[in-house]
Amino acid sequence: GENVEQHPSTLSVQEGDSAVIKCTYSDSASNYFPWYKQELGKRPQLIIDIRSNVGEKKDQRIAVTLNKTAKHFSLHITETQPEDSAVYFCAASTSGNTPLVFGKGTRLSVIA
Amino acid sequence: NAGVTQTPKFQVLKTGQSMTLQCAQDMNHEYMSWYRQDPGMGLRLIHYSVGAGITDQGEVPNGYNVSRSTTEDFPLRLLSAAPSQTSVYFCASSRPGYEQYFGPGTRLTVT
Repeated sequence: GENVEQHPSTLSVQEGDSAVIKCTYSDSASNYFPWYKQELGKRPQLIIDIRSNVGEKKDQRIAVTLNKTAKHFSLHITETQPEDSAVYFCAASTSGNTPLVFGKGTRLSVIA
Repeated sequence: NAGVTQTPKFQVLKTGQSMTLQCAQDMNHEYMSWYRQDPGMGLRLIHYSVGAGITDQGEVPNGYNVSRSTTEDFPLRLLSAAPSQTSVYFCASSRPGYEQYFGPGTRLTVT
């Protein structure tokens, strides 16, 4: 089955700097790659996703890149703000009736 | 739309007790799943369902049962609670291959 590895497990950046979180996946059939943000005590919420027919996707300060050949994808947050502090999870699945497999998460701290 | 709802929000059980965590969604999603979240372990899949009457095991199914008699509801049953089942439980729903919506979670403590 699918296995998703996520690095780093913790990340501290100064406010205004960029943050990058990287994930690798094992199943070459996976074609859907979402990223979730979970604030303390709350539920995970989708922030951006990408499908395998696209190499990059941006939404304001957030971008995701996908390298299908290397089987890895990354989350990029620019101009970080204190409210970006949270745990971020990557995930992978195929488009069919297969479950999302999550990475173990990255705790991002943005220091003001 | 209420989205995905879960009850109860908090629960304390004694070892050996049984209980059912409730999950419901009003988005007509075929796909529903249960995760447990422990510190440093991310979200681990317990059971999932691709439609009414169809369920399958995830990564950590032992000690849990599920059934899916309707599209809307997907209850999770703990058969005989153990301290190792102390965790936060999230239910989620989606259309297959699309954004997964999570419920607010149930914080379970087993003493």
